[in-house]
Amino acid sequence: GAVVSQHPSWVICKSGTSVKIECRSLDFQATTMFWYRQFPKQSLMLMATSNEGSKATYEQGVEKDKFLINHASLTLSTLTVTSAHPEDSSFYICSARDWEVSGELFFGEGSRLTVL
Amino acid sequence: AQKITQTQPGMFVQEKEAVTLDCTYDTSDPSYGLFWYKQPSSGEMIFLIYQGSYDQQNATEGRYSLNFQKARKSANLVISASQLGDSAMYFCAMRDFSGGGADGLTFGKGTHLIIQP
Repeated sequence: GAVVSQHPSWVICKSGTSVKIECRSLDFQATTMFWYRQFPKQSLMLMATSNEGSKATYEQGVEKDKFLINHASLTLSTLTVTSAHPEDSSFYICSARDWEVSGELFFGEGSRLTVL
Repeated sequence: AQKITQTQPGMFVQEKEAVTLDCTYDTSDPSYGLFWYKQPSSGEMIFLIYQGSYDQQNATEGRYSLNFQKARKSANLVISASQLGDSAMYFCAMRDFSGGGADGLTFGKGTHLIIQP
């Protein structure tokens, strides 16, 4: 079945640095990818919709300049947490929809960010 | 606006028993889809089952079945013959197909299921 891969799985960084998380669809083209954030023992919150070749659509309350999303190709979307702070520590998950086969939504493995 | 409610923060169930995880939803859109995902401690999201709002029959996938009661806006997940490996967080989610707005899923807060031997 379709696979979505995220990298890195774990990242620890110092406060003030920027961190990039990649989301790749391995065997299908994804014109749309989604980025979620999950706090411990809480639900996943949709942060933004990443659109290939155009600007991302952010959910209300999500800072665009803080969470930069780039969808440069049909198989890759990146989320960059700029000037990360400890409150940005979270589990970030991406998903992508395989429209050509079933329209099913596939999730990446997730990336755990810890900002010291 | 969409809303998903899972009222059971945690559940303890004896192995081999059936378990029902509750999910109610609220939407004004006539066309929508309901999903259940399993999230083990590793964090990955595993798709379990899907129910479309116009589907006439309740969805089933192996040991998983969805008790869809449209009038009550309820989409409970039933796991038959629970196994130790079923211990995980379970999320109910919804996506509306009526167009407009974000296309991503709206998730409930989840239910932490623990299967006891």
